Amino acid sequence: GQQVMQIPQYQHVQEGEDFTTYCNSSTTLSNIQWYKQRPGGHPVFLIQLVKSGEVKKQKRLTFQFGEAKKNSSLHITATQTTDVGTYFCAGTQGGSEKLVFGKGMKLTVNP
Amino acid sequence: ETGVTQSPTHLIKTRGQQVTLRCSSQSGHNTVSWYQQALGQGPQFIFQYYREEENGRGNFPPRFSGLQFPNYSSELNVNALELDDSALYLCASSHPQRTTQYFGPGTRLLVL
Repeated sequence: GQQVMQIPQYQHVQEGEDFTTYCNSSTTLSNIQWYKQRPGGHPVFLIQLVKSGEVKKQKRLTFQFGEAKKNSSLHITATQTTDVGTYFCAGTQGGSEKLVFGKGMKLTVNP
Repeated sequence: ETGVTQSPTHLIKTRGQQVTLRCSSQSGHNTVSWYQQALGQGPQFIFQYYREEENGRGNFPPRFSGLQFPNYSSELNVNALELDDSALYLCASSHPQRTTQYFGPGTRLLVL
C-alpha cells in the first residue's frame, strides 16, 4: 500500500539556523499536505501542494512538491523557538479519501 | 466559526471493554474522518464519513465502527478493546470535496 516516509525523524538546530526536511512517497500523489503538531497538541494544517513542481512560501517556511509528485520538502529559514513541534507530511492518491501521514519530523530548537 | 470538538478528552478502559468517542465537526463541514495516533507516530486513517455514510476505510478491523448524524457530528466505537488500542484518537472535519483536515484536540485512550 501507499507509504509516506519522512527524513530525518529528528532535527535539533540552533536558533537562527536554516534546515530542510524531506518527505517521500512510494506512489504518485494527488496532493501533499503539511501539518504541524505542538507537544501535547493536535495536528494543525499548514499548506497543501497540488501541482508538479509547485513551490509555496509562508513567511520563513518554503514548501516544494517534486516534479514527479512523489516527494516534497519543507525548508525553514532562521529557525525560532516557536517552530518547535513535529511536522507531518500527508498525501492522497488518485480519488482516494484516505490521507496517508508520514511518521513526522520532530524539531527541537536550542535558544 | 466553531472548531472541531471532541469528548471526552481522556479515557481509561480495560481490555475487552467497549468505548464510544464523540466529535462535532467545524461549522460548514459535512465530512468527518477519524485517525488513530500512537505515541511517536503519525496519524493513521481509520475511516471517513460523508452524508452519514462510510466513505473510505483504512486498515482497521471491524471492531472499529462509526456513525455520522444529520448534524454532521460523529461517533467512533471500538469493541473488545486491546492494549494496542491505547492512543490519541483524532477527529478531523473537512469541506465537501476537499482533503484538507481540520483536527480536533483528540481523545487520549488508555487501555489497561
